[in-house]
Parts: sequence; C-alpha cells; structure tokens
Amino acid sequence: QKEVEQDPGPLSVPEGAIVSLNCTYSNSAFQYFMWYRQYSRKGPELLMYTYSSGNKEDGRFTAQVDKSSKYISLFIRDSQPSDSATYLCAMRDSSASKIIFGSGTRLSIRP
Amino acid sequence: DGGITQSPKYLFRKEGQNVTLSCEQNLNHDAMYWYRQDPGQGLRLIYYSQIVNDFQKGDIAEGYSVSREKKESFPLTVTSAQKNPTAFYLCASSSWDITEAFFGQGTRLTVV
Repeated sequence: QKEVEQDPGPLSVPEGAIVSLNCTYSNSAFQYFMWYRQYSRKGPELLMYTYSSGNKEDGRFTAQVDKSSKYISLFIRDSQPSDSATYLCAMRDSSASKIIFGSGTRLSIRP
Repeated sequence: DGGITQSPKYLFRKEGQNVTLSCEQNLNHDAMYWYRQDPGQGLRLIYYSQIVNDFQKGDIAEGYSVSREKKESFPLTVTSAQKNPTAFYLCASSSWDITEAFFGQGTRLTVV
C-alpha cells in the first residue's frame, strides 16, 4: 500500500462549480501537508501549505486536514478554465527530510 | 528574482551516454531534491541533500548520481546504468526546517 493515495482522475467539471480534490494517507506521523498545481510540461507550484489539522483559506482555495481520518482535501470555489491542471498532494512528518507526493489528480474545467 | 533554475529544458542523448542535469537555486535553501515524473504518475524521489557535501538516496537512486559541493547547486547525472532514463526530471529546494518545497521548471530527457 502506498503511503499517500490520490485518485488520478481525470475529473471534469463545468466552469463555476466547486471542486473537491482528496488524498488519504497511512502514516499517522505526517504533520505537514501541501497542495501543488502542475500545468502540462511545467514544474509544480505550491498552492497551499497546512500544518496539522484544520482549515486554511486563500482566495478561492481552501485546504482541509482531518488527521483522525488521515484525509486531506483541497476545495476550489468558482472554478475557472485556468484551474485546469494536475493537482498533487504532498506531506511529511516532523523528523523525516523526505516529502511524499500523491500521484496527482488531473482536473479539467469546461467553459 | 529568487528561484530554482533547471537547465536545459529539453535534452536528447544516445543510449549508453551519461548526461548531467543542472539545478541552481538562489533561495538560500539548505535542502535540495531530485524527483522523476513519468506520464500519468506522481513524483518519485531520486536523491536529496540537506547540507553541503552530504546527500542521501531516495526511492529510485539506482543508475543516478549527485554531488552537492555548493549550497546553490545540486547536479544530477543520469548514468548508462539507468535502464529507463527517458522522463521529466524535477529539482526542488526547501528551507532548513523543510516545510514546503519549491520546484524548478523541469528538464525533459529523451534517450534514443
């Protein structure tokens, strides 16, 4: 079993919809959680960073961490065609120097 | 502008040749990483380095080598021992407390 599981999609939604992207993980020691957006043939760019449980909001994006369920989510409100990309979750614990990535979810926003 | 620079963007090599991918950062980050990404797959860790003159193997280090002689630079050599070298290679760096990592724009290596 992988340490981090992420549905690869593809996920296609109409413009303006609320998008929910999710990851589950098995290592209860993970404390730092990140979401990256990657456009085709580009490097990933950091969208959201969260420490431990709770919610964090930045504009149209909300990151949510539920450590009791080992489940993290990224919500995108008022989705735009420019949000079409692959979204990668990532996480690490407080001692490890490695950052573990999910396999990424391909998202397409239909105009 | 601060950032991570990978070069070249595209690289073609003949089978059996070693090739070195460049990664430079001016973010004053201590930690640097190399990942490999294959189509439809996530990022797999090749090597990482937390300080100068020290580095550790990641999950798929076989057929690769690195050096960390300067804080700013972490070059990756893809050797002829790597059986499937054609891939998208990403370099990243992070601060000493290794919270979030920042990525370069990647090098697409094609071996023919």
